[in-house]
Amino acid sequence: GAGVSQSPSNKVTEKGKDVELRCDPISGHTALYWYRQSLGQGLEFLIYFQGNSAPDKSGLPSDRFSAERTGGSVSTLTIQRTQQEDSAVYLCASSTSGTGPRTQYFGPGTRLTVL
Amino acid sequence: QKEVEQNSGPLSVPEGAIASLNCTYSDRGSQSFFWYRQYSGKSPELIMFIYSNGDKEDGRFTAQLNKASQYVSLLIRDSQPSDSATYLCAVKHRGGADGLTFGKGTHLIIQP
Repeated sequence: GAGVSQSPSNKVTEKGKDVELRCDPISGHTALYWYRQSLGQGLEFLIYFQGNSAPDKSGLPSDRFSAERTGGSVSTLTIQRTQQEDSAVYLCASSTSGTGPRTQYFGPGTRLTVL
Repeated sequence: QKEVEQNSGPLSVPEGAIASLNCTYSDRGSQSFFWYRQYSGKSPELIMFIYSNGDKEDGRFTAQLNKASQYVSLLIRDSQPSDSATYLCAVKHRGGADGLTFGKGTHLIIQP
């Protein structure tokens, strides 16, 4: 039960197809985050889950992006009708929810390539 | 628009010297500040966090925070070739989501 795990590590898809990316957070971490990192760009916040509360979706770039978190643990990020500009590394992070800085620990990422 | 700015580099430092990495942020209400290291093709890994003005030391690393100037820095003493990486500054803003705002990173090269 080490760190955050993500699957697949790489995904190549054709433009217009839907993709699902999975994240399994660190055991006991109630907060889960999705980011994406495009080539030469910084990390861009997408969505945040905290326990059973409604997720903060303020970073999602379009309505083609959605995410779920089942049972307060595993999360799935879904991108519908993928576009070439969706090509990026999608990173998941998790943290505890107590007081203090709530350090986020990142998974290895999923590299998405849309042809 | 809450922004975090870093010099993209590359910053080249000789082995054994002190590497100084800087970051400024636009939101005066920012609460917590993080430095992550990212090797090429890898995910970010946490080096340090700081949320009080002043210095915080951890081994060869020192984080410095000046909220009045909206400035945070990372010093790496006795730089090693293995420190060569991209260093990301991240800021947690007061209120709102817990998502971090990241700078684009500074590419650090330690020359043997």
